[in-house]
Amino acid sequence: SQTIHQWPATLVQPVGSPLSLECTVEGTSNPNLYWYRQAAGRGLQLLFYSVGIGQISSEVPQNLSASRPQDRQFILSSKKLLLSDSGFYLCAWSVGVSTDTQYFGPGTRLTVL
Amino acid sequence: AQKVTQAQTEISVVEKEDVTLDCVYETRDTTYYLFWYKQPPSGELVFLIRRNSFDEQNEISGRYSWNFQKSTSSFNFTITASQVVDSAVYFCALSYFNKFYFGSGTKLNVKP
Repeated sequence: SQTIHQWPATLVQPVGSPLSLECTVEGTSNPNLYWYRQAAGRGLQLLFYSVGIGQISSEVPQNLSASRPQDRQFILSSKKLLLSDSGFYLCAWSVGVSTDTQYFGPGTRLTVL
Repeated sequence: AQKVTQAQTEISVVEKEDVTLDCVYETRDTTYYLFWYKQPPSGELVFLIRRNSFDEQNEISGRYSWNFQKSTSSFNFTITASQVVDSAVYFCALSYFNKFYFGSGTKLNVKP
């Protein structure tokens, strides 16, 4: 069966520091991968999605970037964090066509101080 | 443009009451999929149901049921005999070309 992992689970970082969040999927090949952010008490905002290695689509201009160095690995990065980057970051995967169900990881709770 | 509206921000019920969560969507496409997810306090989104635009049959799964009506662009979710474990934020979503459009969520509080 497929599983999705995210780490770290919780992170507290100072403003201006770099960020690297990692997401890996097991049990499937060539998944579509997604990064979402959820601000406190708010809905989900799609940040990036990827349909293959090296293929990244950005949805929102900001100081975040994403990379997909391997088929089942998706990384969210920042060179300098802002206070507004605080939130709950969720990674998700799907297979096949765009309408397939997305399955979510456990999330990373990021607090920028 | 695609849009999903969940007008109910927060609902509180007492255990064993029935509760309906509303979802209204907008899309010009004739082929689309609708979803419901549950987000318990732990944070992980749990998939509940997927429905395509050509299947308007209502679905029941245990205490959960879904009512899909294309005429009113609604995909409502009913929990029968609610339980404390149903307390969570519930999201409705519409999928369109590699993207999911999520509603803002409805927080359900079930009190004992």
